Parts: sequence; structure tokens; C-alpha cells
Amino acid sequence: GQQLNQSPQSMFIQEGEDVSMNCTSSSIFNTWLWYKQDPGEGPVLLIALYKAGELTSNGRLTAQFGITRKDSFLNISASIPSDVGIYFCAGATMNRDDKIIFGKGTRLHILP
Amino acid sequence: EAGVVQSPRYKIIEKKQPVAFWCNPISGHNTLYWYLQNLGQGPELLIRYENEEAVDDSQLPKDRFSAERLKGVDSTLKIQPAELGDSAVYLCASSRRRGGRSTDTQYFGPGTRLTVL
Repeated sequence: GQQLNQSPQSMFIQEGEDVSMNCTSSSIFNTWLWYKQDPGEGPVLLIALYKAGELTSNGRLTAQFGITRKDSFLNISASIPSDVGIYFCAGATMNRDDKIIFGKGTRLHILP
Repeated sequence: EAGVVQSPRYKIIEKKQPVAFWCNPISGHNTLYWYLQNLGQGPELLIRYENEEAVDDSQLPKDRFSAERLKGVDSTLKIQPAELGDSAVYLCASSRRRGGRSTDTQYFGPGTRLTVL
């Protein structure tokens, strides 16, 4: 079945640093989504991308939909403590009975 | 606006026992999803409802799992009997699905963490 490879699995950074994570797939997706999950909570949608090549920002977050439609990346600029959490990419094909496929997540840690 | 409500938040049972989870979606959301999230993994869809109809239950292990959404609002997910491997977080999400797009924003509840001993 469809699988998403998300990297890195975890990151340890200093507060104020920029962060970059990506997601790749062997399958084409028509939509890429980025979610953040805090401990004990459900995922929350950060950014949705609907067109190949699209670059979208949400505050300090920027995400891009790869031209091949098989990848996407998320950047976080000037990280702050509340950025700690697990970031999931997800892809969807937009068919009538499609489903969202989630990656395994990137766990972001911020060192004091 | 209240978010997706799930209960219980935590459940510990012994294997072979039954267990049920309850979800109340956001008011007005016609689509409801149940996801399974294993430790260190992303959520995996178990079943999707549009109103009362289960439109995608292809990933639901039907030998032991069942779900219902009788009046198109609240939903319950049941496991009977539970096995050790069922220990996971069960997430409920809802969305106001338009035009067949699964990417209408899904709002997740906090999940129920199940531990099977």
C-alpha cells in the first residue's frame, strides 16, 4: 500500500534555530498536509497544500508541495519552546473514497 | 465552539475483555473518522462515516472490531475481545465534508489510550 517516508525521525535543536523536515513517497498525491501533535492530544492541521509546486506559509511555518507530487517539506523558522511536538506529513489522492495516509512523524526537541 | 469529545481518555483492561470508546464530533460535522495510532506511528484510518453510513471500513478488523453511528452524530467503537496488540491510542476526528474531498480539515479529539494487559 501507499507509504510515506518522513525524515528525520527526531531532531534536537537549540531555541532560535531553523528546522527543516521532509516527506517522500513512491506514490503520487494530489494533496499534502502537515499536522502537529502535542502529548496527550490529537493532531492539529498546520498547513494544507493542493497544487504541485505550491509554497504556503503559516506564521513561522512554510511548506512546499514537490513538483513531482511525491514529496513535501516543512520549515520552521526561529524555533520557540512551544514548537516541541511531533510533526506528521500526510498525503491524499482526492479520489471519492480516498483516505489520508500519515507518515510516522518527526519528533522535535528543543534544548534549553 | 466545542471540539471533538472522546471518552474515556484512558482505559486499562485485561485481554479477552470487551471495551468501548465514545466520540462526540463537532456540531454540524457530517463526517466522522476513527483512527488507530500505535506508539511511534502516525494515525491509521479504521472507519469513516458520512452521516449514518460507514463509507469506508476496509481497514477495520471486523472479527473483533465494530462501530456504529446510529443517529449520524455520536459514534462508538467497540473491541470484543481485546488482544494485547490492541494497546494503542484510538483517535476520533470529524469534518464538514464537501464535494467528496477527504482533505476538508479534520479536527481530532484527544484520543483514548487503551492498555490491554
